[in-house]
Amino acid sequence: QVQLQESGPGLVKPSQTLSLTCTVSGGSISSGSYYWHWIRQPAGKGLEWIGRIYTSGTTDYNPSLKSRVTISADTPKNQFSLKLSSVTAADTAVYYCARATVTTAYDYWGQGTLVTVSS
Amino acid sequence: DIQMTQSPSTLSASVGDRVTITCRASQSISSWLAWYQQKPGKAPKLLIYKASNLESGVPSRFSGSGSGTEFTLTISSLQPDDFATYYCQQYKSYLYTFGQGTKLETK
Repeated sequence: QVQLQESGPGLVKPSQTLSLTCTVSGGSISSGSYYWHWIRQPAGKGLEWIGRIYTSGTTDYNPSLKSRVTISADTPKNQFSLKLSSVTAADTAVYYCARATVTTAYDYWGQGTLVTVSS
Repeated sequence: DIQMTQSPSTLSASVGDRVTITCRASQSISSWLAWYQQKPGKAPKLLIYKASNLESGVPSRFSGSGSGTEFTLTISSLQPDDFATYYCQQYKSYLYTFGQGTKLETK
């Protein structure tokens, strides 16, 4: 059974960089035809796709966030990470990591982690 | 971007009811559509993928249909555990987009 777990600071100051890590167990992030994604959800609102990294290391980002986002992978640790720079209060949200296949979309999700941007 | 529009935004129903949620895409996405159920404080859960395929372990009272730009999620006989928010999501474009959600509440 694949499991994903987000970790990182729950509070980030404005203008700083938000950094989160997703640890994957029960499967390797470097094998299979999987995309590893970050998605966020502000309180009481809908879901916003942030970006993804493929098993090959190729990345895609939401154009609305592209200038501030970096997604990378640490295959020995079986983790992938999100960095979002120059954060503002608008970046306050629950951040999810998830696995997707070409066929099934998001079949496994982390439980989510709340990140608050505040001084 | 491909825009996804769900209707209704809120749906009031009772246990045993048959309910349908609609999702429309701003351009054709073939069958690259998924449906998720989300409960408060929890991650979304995949129900349906590729428009009409039931994810393993999901009760058969859930079904999906449609292709192109119009899709539906149907719950044939609503159960107490089904009151939640439902999202559609397209994955034809690499820029995955979600509908705004439909909150299914008790009448």
